[in-house]
Amino acid sequence: AQSVTQPDIHITVSEGASLELRCNYSYGATPYLFWYVQSPGQGLQLLLKYFSGDTLVQGIKGFEAEFKRSQSSFNLRKPSVHWSDAAEYFCAVGGGYNKLIFGAGTRLAVHP
Amino acid sequence: NAGVTQTPKFQVLKTGQSMTLQCAQDMNHEYMSWYRQDPGMGLRLIHYSVGAGITDQGEVPNGYNVSRSTTEDFPLRLLSAAPSQTSVYFCASARMGNTEAFFGQGTRLTVV
Repeated sequence: AQSVTQPDIHITVSEGASLELRCNYSYGATPYLFWYVQSPGQGLQLLLKYFSGDTLVQGIKGFEAEFKRSQSSFNLRKPSVHWSDAAEYFCAVGGGYNKLIFGAGTRLAVHP
Repeated sequence: NAGVTQTPKFQVLKTGQSMTLQCAQDMNHEYMSWYRQDPGMGLRLIHYSVGAGITDQGEVPNGYNVSRSTTEDFPLRLLSAAPSQTSVYFCASARMGNTEAFFGQGTRLTVV
């Protein structure tokens, strides 16, 4: 069955610290992978996507993610977190017709 | 450029009432879809469309109807609202070919 797992429901980091949000997927074919961010009361904004090619992808707001086929993972990283990064982050895998399967999300809190 | 527009932003319904959530996009995207977001479950696909006149069911279609008479519009109908349909609903659109999905701001629906 196709699925996305985000093992961490809630993460708290200090401002300026590094961040890694985990994402594991189960998908039969070559996956299209996405990370979205959702601020409170807002819609979803795309941070980055992986379709093919270089397995390290750069996104907006200083985020990057690495696709590891052997581990079925697509973890999101940021070297130095800002207070404005506090939000909920969703990993998703895209199937045919752009049908997205989302993980349950990771809520990030940033301490000053 | 409006992108994906959802109306209304908030709605309270009584059990058994019907209503239509509106979604419009001005990007001439072929693909449109509806998701519901529930705490701890991420977003789940309700229905999707690959073009005018073509719709299909997603993961959680029961209790919802859709139609797509134009490229721009993709309304979601609740036939007889139930408390289990209390959720935040997101509409998304994308160009053909598994590209980035653009999301609306969401409709928060409460069924009492």
